[in-house]
Amino acid sequence: DTGVSQDPRHKITKRGQNVTFRCDPISEHNRLYWYRQTLGQGPEFLTYFQNEAQLEKSRLLSDRFSAERPKGSFSTLEIQRTEQGDSAMYLCASSPAGDHEQYFGPGTRLTVT
Amino acid sequence: AQKVTQAQTEISVVEKEDVTLDCVYETRDTTYYLFWYKQPPSGELVFLIRRNSFDEQNEISGRYSWNFQKSTSSFNFTITASQVVDSAVYFCALSEARPSGGFQKLVFGTGTRLLVSP
Repeated sequence: DTGVSQDPRHKITKRGQNVTFRCDPISEHNRLYWYRQTLGQGPEFLTYFQNEAQLEKSRLLSDRFSAERPKGSFSTLEIQRTEQGDSAMYLCASSPAGDHEQYFGPGTRLTVT
Repeated sequence: AQKVTQAQTEISVVEKEDVTLDCVYETRDTTYYLFWYKQPPSGELVFLIRRNSFDEQNEISGRYSWNFQKSTSSFNFTITASQVVDSAVYFCALSEARPSGGFQKLVFGTGTRLLVSP
């Protein structure tokens, strides 16, 4: 059983460009989370999916951010009109139904120049 | 609101020393979970342990042990006989426990960087 995978691992973009990240959770995990981690800080929650439904969104998720999980499997996180403050590690985690810990992917490190 | 405090920013030890990482939490929930994750230089968060607020028994797993004290809202992590491979950032986290399961947002502390030198 493979773990959570994320693509790309690194992304450098210019301010104002759009970027999209992909997360493939552990198969059969119906819960998927996105977190953002800036340097020297712990991860902060962004959004949560249960199957294909986006059930929770943090106030950190501005209008420029959108996330999808179209078939309840992989998920994408898009940032439009990137700003330098968006530079961070974007982490995806998944867990099965019930009370379980979350398993994290390796993250996508975004640098906005 | 939930909050996790890891007051130790960085700890340096020499191999084979024991080291304790502190974690203090705040929550109004009566039931909750506490976690420890390890983040090595590669960046991936590795799950170490989950504790239910009802279970205050200390736990030992190999060189790792955890001390949960509800009275002081602390969930400390001790590594015995540290090794160079233990060098990483360690995060303590908290989540609400819902009876039916479902959404469980993790609230993380700022992490403690552990450096183990040979």
